[in-house]
Amino acid sequence: GENVEQHPSTLSVQEGDSAVIKCTYSDSASNYFPWYKQELGKGPQLIIDIRSNVGEKKDQRIAVTLNKTAKHFSLHITETQPEDSAVYFCAATSSGGYQKVTFGTGTKLQVIP
Amino acid sequence: DSGVTQTPKHLITATGQRVTLRCSPRSGDLSVYWYQQSLDQGLQFLIQYYNGEERAKGNILERFSAQQFPDLHSELNLSSLELGDSALYFCASSLGTSGGTGELFFGEGSRLTVL
Repeated sequence: GENVEQHPSTLSVQEGDSAVIKCTYSDSASNYFPWYKQELGKGPQLIIDIRSNVGEKKDQRIAVTLNKTAKHFSLHITETQPEDSAVYFCAATSSGGYQKVTFGTGTKLQVIP
Repeated sequence: DSGVTQTPKHLITATGQRVTLRCSPRSGDLSVYWYQQSLDQGLQFLIQYYNGEERAKGNILERFSAQQFPDLHSELNLSSLELGDSALYFCASSLGTSGGTGELFFGEGSRLTVL
């Protein structure tokens, strides 16, 4: 089955700096790669996603890159703000008759004011 | 609001007891997922249902069981509870077919405390 590894497990950055979280996956059939943000006491929420036919996607201060050959994808947050502090999860999804989702282990991001 | 409703939000019970967690998926979503999240841990996949049928099983204990009903709501049953079962249990839903975006919509979770 699919295996998703995520690094680092914790990340502290100064406000205004950039943060990068990396994930690798094992199943070449995975074709959808979402990133979820989980704030304290809440359920994870999708913040950005990328499909296997795209190499990069950007949404304001957040961007995701995908390297299908190397089977890795990354989340980039620029100009970090205190409200970016949360746990971030990557995931790999294979579609077909039904969707199978595999999550990474999560990265706890702390943005220091 | 994700559209996914989980009840109860909080539950405190004793070891050896049995509890049922309920999830109503987003309108139109056919797939329901259950995840367990212990303190400072990641999302441990328990089980997935699609249109009433079990589709995938993760690290779900034999003491735990789940089902998805014809109206698509799902229940997670936890029995013979142990202290280590204390956790946040999330339900998520998605359209579940190749026509969907693939996005999972999570509920707010049910926090279970076993004393």
